[in-house]
Amino acid sequence: EVHLVESGGGLVQPGGSLRLSCAASGFTFSAHWMSWVRQAPGKGLEWVANIKVDGSAKYYVDRVKGRFTISRDNAKNSLYLQMNSLRAEDTAVYYCARDGNGDYDGAIDSWGQGTLVTVSS
Amino acid sequence: QSVLTQPPSASGTPGQRVTISCSGSSSNIGSNYVYWYQQLPGTAPKVLIYKNTQRPSGVPDRFSGSKSGTSASLAISGLRSEDEADYYCAAWDDSLSGFYVFGTGTKVTVL
Repeated sequence: EVHLVESGGGLVQPGGSLRLSCAASGFTFSAHWMSWVRQAPGKGLEWVANIKVDGSAKYYVDRVKGRFTISRDNAKNSLYLQMNSLRAEDTAVYYCARDGNGDYDGAIDSWGQGTLVTVSS
Repeated sequence: QSVLTQPPSASGTPGQRVTISCSGSSSNIGSNYVYWYQQLPGTAPKVLIYKNTQRPSGVPDRFSGSKSGTSASLAISGLRSEDEADYYCAAWDDSLSGFYVFGTGTKVTVL
């Protein structure tokens, strides 16, 4: 069974930094692109970033480019999101998510339970 | 920054059919597959439909997806109380590098 467990969320002041982690299990981590998706309180879903299987390609939504960095450690089955220069509008639940492959290519086929990031003074 | 437009709400009585629309453009729905996600209250989303019309194993055949041009639809037939949730369409967008866009979301209420 696929398991994605996020950690590292919390309260941070505007301009601060936070690093989210995601521990993956139950599947071959190195065979999947991985994503971060966020959801502001009471709002819809927003794709934040994704990373290729070997980390050689990374993509970001415009509003986080230059501030957030996605990375992975396939030896540790872990995904990360380094968030710098945080703003109030970054407040959201952040989901670690697995990009599907094969028949499910293009879909986000597994999600973690999410970790809440609150940016406030 | 949602570029896929959905109605904010939809409703029906048990057993009815409900349809949710998703309107995009030539750079996303018009040239890529559409995916649908269901988010039950207080839980993470799960994929409901992939590649326009395909259902993952375990998803009831009451859920069906379709696509035409730059629009897509999700239909729920035989509506049940457990279908009360938020539904999001999604697609890759070719106008931006590797950009995955979600719809604005539709809250389905079972009356």
